Amino acid sequence: EAGVAQSPRYKIIEKRQSVAFWCNPISGHATLYWYQQILGQGPKLLIQFQNNGVVDDSQLPKDRFSAERLKGVDSTLKIQPAKLEDSAVYLCASSTRRPTRPNYGYTFGSGTRLTVV
Amino acid sequence: GQNIDQPTEMTATEGAIVQINCTYQTSGFNGLFWYQQHAGEAPTFLSYNVLDGLEEKGRFSSFLSRSKGYSYLLLKELQMKDSASYLCAVSRNYGQNFVFGPGTRLSVLP
Repeated sequence: EAGVAQSPRYKIIEKRQSVAFWCNPISGHATLYWYQQILGQGPKLLIQFQNNGVVDDSQLPKDRFSAERLKGVDSTLKIQPAKLEDSAVYLCASSTRRPTRPNYGYTFGSGTRLTVV
Repeated sequence: GQNIDQPTEMTATEGAIVQINCTYQTSGFNGLFWYQQHAGEAPTFLSYNVLDGLEEKGRFSSFLSRSKGYSYLLLKELQMKDSASYLCAVSRNYGQNFVFGPGTRLSVLP
């Protein structure tokens, strides 16, 4: 089974520039998550999709961050404009809705490491 | 609010036993998960507790007390490859929405 694919692996941009990250979840996984992980901290959920609908975006800084999952499969996360404090690893994860214990097949991608200078 | 606490760093010797504690206060609880994360890599699933008690899985065991809002991860026969961050995470609803703790960075010394 292929894992969660993310690109790019690394990105360096200047503050006030824009950047986009892409995620392709495991085939058949209805739920997709974007997390932000700042160095030395645990992942923080930014947004959760169920198919192409948003379930939770309460911690997404909506003035600069946006995300979409138009066809209910792959997803993009955009930052516009970027700030220095956005430097972090952006992790995508996906899971199934079937009650597959213990963790619904919850799988993380390798992440995109963003550096804002 | 959501609050999960773990020690920031721990050090142990190869072959020893180490216990990593986690305390949590969250709105909603549907299970406590432990993940391992090597530097620069994605978190990988280690263990899961939804009922009180001890779950054993090879060299790794995890304990949960829901009344105390407390869990621990026990690693036995430590190996150098166990040097990583260990993340405690609470699932707040049916299976899927995690709140992660800050992680404990474990260093295993020869």
